[in-house]
Amino acid sequence: QKEVEQNSGPLSVPEGAIASLNCTYSDRGSQSFFWYRQYSGKSPELIMSIYSNGDKEDGRFTAQLNKASQYVSLLIRDSQPSDSATYLCAVLVSGGSYIPTFGRGTSLIVHP
Amino acid sequence: ETGVTQTPRHLVMGMTNKKSLKCEQHLGHNAMYWYKQSAKKPLELMFVYNFKEQTENNSVPSRFSPECPNSSHLFLHLHTLQPEDSALYLCASSQEPGQETQYFGPGTRLLVL
Repeated sequence: QKEVEQNSGPLSVPEGAIASLNCTYSDRGSQSFFWYRQYSGKSPELIMSIYSNGDKEDGRFTAQLNKASQYVSLLIRDSQPSDSATYLCAVLVSGGSYIPTFGRGTSLIVHP
Repeated sequence: ETGVTQTPRHLVMGMTNKKSLKCEQHLGHNAMYWYKQSAKKPLELMFVYNFKEQTENNSVPSRFSPECPNSSHLFLHLHTLQPEDSALYLCASSQEPGQETQYFGPGTRLLVL
């Protein structure tokens, strides 16, 4: 059974700090990894995708993937109160399955 | 705002009612999805359509009936629902099923009394 695990939080960080969100997955065949941000009462929106080991940076966001250890993380630098949301990790196995598996999400609170 | 719209945004229905949720995507995508999001639970994929053909039915009860008349429109017909079916129902689309990024609609907040 494919599982994606995230700490539900809430993760509370002060404004300007680095927020670190972690996700582990069980299926070694996983090939595509996504981070979605979901504000309260809103739908998820994609903020990062990563497909190969290492780091991928986009503005204040950095996704890190380690397939050997089966984890993917999201770092948010210079955290802002507007980053307060639930962050969903999603994992997709290539080779025929169209079913992405989502984690429960981590609630992030950035306090001024 | 994404190119995926959903109506209605909120719906309250009794257990004997029949209602339909509508999703429309304006992105030229070929794949469309229905998800259920309940409080404190992961997003649950319900159905996948690829080029109007249903490719996945993730063990969803028959009281949920999807319909995809064309690659831009997706419906979810509801009948004799249970209170535990109350949730946020999200529609999403992607260029192709599988590895492509999914774009979500705003969702329909459903309450079953």
